Amino acid sequence: EIVMTQSPDTLSVSPGDRATLSCRASQSVNSKVAWYQQKLGQAPRLLIYDASARATGIPARFSGSGSGTEFTLTISSLQSEDFAVYYCQQYNQWKTFGQGTKVEIK
Amino acid sequence: EVQLVETGGGLVQPGGSLRLSCAASGFPFGSFWMSWVRQAPGKGLEWVGNLKPDGSYKQYVDSVKGRFTISRDNAKNSLYLQMDSLRDEDTAIYYCATDDVSGYFSDWGQGALVTVSS
Repeated sequence: EIVMTQSPDTLSVSPGDRATLSCRASQSVNSKVAWYQQKLGQAPRLLIYDASARATGIPARFSGSGSGTEFTLTISSLQSEDFAVYYCQQYNQWKTFGQGTKVEIK
Repeated sequence: EVQLVETGGGLVQPGGSLRLSCAASGFPFGSFWMSWVRQAPGKGLEWVGNLKPDGSYKQYVDSVKGRFTISRDNAKNSLYLQMDSLRDEDTAIYYCATDDVSGYFSDWGQGALVTVSS
């Protein structure tokens, strides 16, 4: 099973600042990585797929990068509605998720 | 607008059974792979399994193989998850989701809570 490890577990950021979230795969997953946002009490929402493609309706402040085993989700200027938990997922071999990174207000 | 609505959650004793349903609308359901994803209370996401558009092929995570069965009725735009031999560790919110042919999840339902407890 491919293990996805996210870092950090919690990220404290001020509104308007840049946030950088990392995700590492235990073996190469090519570019088969998606990122999701989950707010408390809500279902996850797809942000990014194929490592860097933004899903429909996702603001341009969200961007994804990486390939192989190292991936990054960047939120260029955090808005109040962006404070949430973020998950990465690989779909190169079956489907597995990272443990999540909580982005909280500093 | 894509809508996915899960129903059928509840409290069940260990060893018991439960069937979840997912009603789909707003997209051509019969053309889409569909998945179930679960989330234990306060924990992360775990893919449970998926099903090909025509129902001819399905996959499951090892922890549910032989106990859970995914099925669909394309005439009713509905997806199902039959859960048998339930264990405490199956307690979770169960989401149905559209499964892009590549493997990511584009749209999600609001989830159904399944609690396995005596």
